[in-house]
Amino acid sequence: EAGVAQSPRYKIIEKRQSVAFWCNPISGHATLYWYQQILGQGPKLLIQFQNNGVVDDSQLPKDRFSAERLKGVDSTLKIQPAKLEDSAVYLCASSFLSLLSYEQYFGPGTRLTVT
Amino acid sequence: AQKITQTQPGMFVQEKEAVTLDCTYDTSDQSYGLFWYKQPSSGEMIFLIYQGSYDEQNATEGRYSLNFQKARKSANLVISASQLGDSAMYFCAMKANAGGTSYGKLTFGQGTILTVHP
Repeated sequence: EAGVAQSPRYKIIEKRQSVAFWCNPISGHATLYWYQQILGQGPKLLIQFQNNGVVDDSQLPKDRFSAERLKGVDSTLKIQPAKLEDSAVYLCASSFLSLLSYEQYFGPGTRLTVT
Repeated sequence: AQKITQTQPGMFVQEKEAVTLDCTYDTSDQSYGLFWYKQPSSGEMIFLIYQGSYDEQNATEGRYSLNFQKARKSANLVISASQLGDSAMYFCAMKANAGGTSYGKLTFGQGTILTVHP
């Protein structure tokens, strides 16, 4: 089966610009996650969707980050305006269910550099 | 809140030998799951193994096994017969009920870089 798709793979922008990332999860996976991974650290959850509803966005900086999952399939994550500290890899993951034993499948990530 | 601690920033192992990567966790939930992921230099996160908090047997998946010691709150990954392709970053992660919210959320440790020498 096809894995989680993400685009673009790399993006370089200047601070205060805006950027958007796209994710297409594995077919049939109801749960979608966006993680931020700063260099040298483990991923940190930004937002979790169950179908097209938000389950957890407690660590999403809502003054500059937004995300949507229209029709419960693919999702976009937007940053506007970007700050230097937003430089990171943004990982999208999906899971068939959000229950305890179900592993998450990760996409290749988008590496964002803010200059 | 859940917390995962990986105290080994880097580990070295000779090819064909076994290596143990340490992971300790903290949670007040009785029901939780522990995961190990591998992240090669290419960046993708690859699922390796899962252990449920109520599982009595240690999980095994091929050359990977999880040494689960519930009382000590540790979930160490053992890789047997190391291969050059095992060189990567390894993350321990946990899912817990978190009071009924965000049941799917993974909390990750800082990671351990494993280098396999020929």
